[in-house]
Amino acid sequence: DAGITQSPRYKITETGRQVTLMCHQTWSHSYMFWYRQDLGHGLRLIYYSAAADITDKGEVPDGYVVSRSKTENFPLTLESATRSQTSVYFCASRVGTNTEAFFGQGTRLTVV
Amino acid sequence: AQTVTQSQPEMSVQEAETVTLSCTYDTSESDYYLFWYKQPPSRQMILVIRQEAYKQQNATENRFSVNFQKAAKSFSLKISDSQLGDAAMYFCAYRSWSQGGSEKLVFGKGTKLTVNP
Repeated sequence: DAGITQSPRYKITETGRQVTLMCHQTWSHSYMFWYRQDLGHGLRLIYYSAAADITDKGEVPDGYVVSRSKTENFPLTLESATRSQTSVYFCASRVGTNTEAFFGQGTRLTVV
Repeated sequence: AQTVTQSQPEMSVQEAETVTLSCTYDTSESDYYLFWYKQPPSRQMILVIRQEAYKQQNATENRFSVNFQKAAKSFSLKISDSQLGDAAMYFCAYRSWSQGGSEKLVFGKGTKLTVNP
């Protein structure tokens, strides 16, 4: 199906483990984003990518790594998960500069 | 840095009535975009309405309209004839127009809207 999909929808992991959240879009949008949503903070940008092989930090990048070897995929990796990274993570994409973003359905990550 | 403030953590409205959600923002730029997103319990972020700052006319999408006051840096959302399906979190968001700053959305903390039957 066309659109933007995130996997998994739910994930529980232990402190110190590496975990990767996947994001896939079928529109060939240039821009892709990762946000985290926490109570009292709204959504905050972690990383974004303007095109394949181009990534840049957002507001809260510490503890996260991204890559974008293909236009359609933008995985987010927590190298050593901490409890403070318990959150709902949203991936989004946008075709160009002057267009709106479309969001995936989110991944609820719990770090125990 | 741009900031977005939603001063109403929660609002409620009777079905079929009208409700207005407030949003103010702070920026030194003259050209930008403003958005309202809806997040129902399903967690999906859904674009409700968008406004370009250079347009004086307020955006409208069916029962949803905005009151954009550029000088006051205010961007409120009016929902007319409220329906039970409008119950959700609503987020106001800002995005820069400029090429160097247009990468990210800056979100407010959200307003939880309850619709009473």
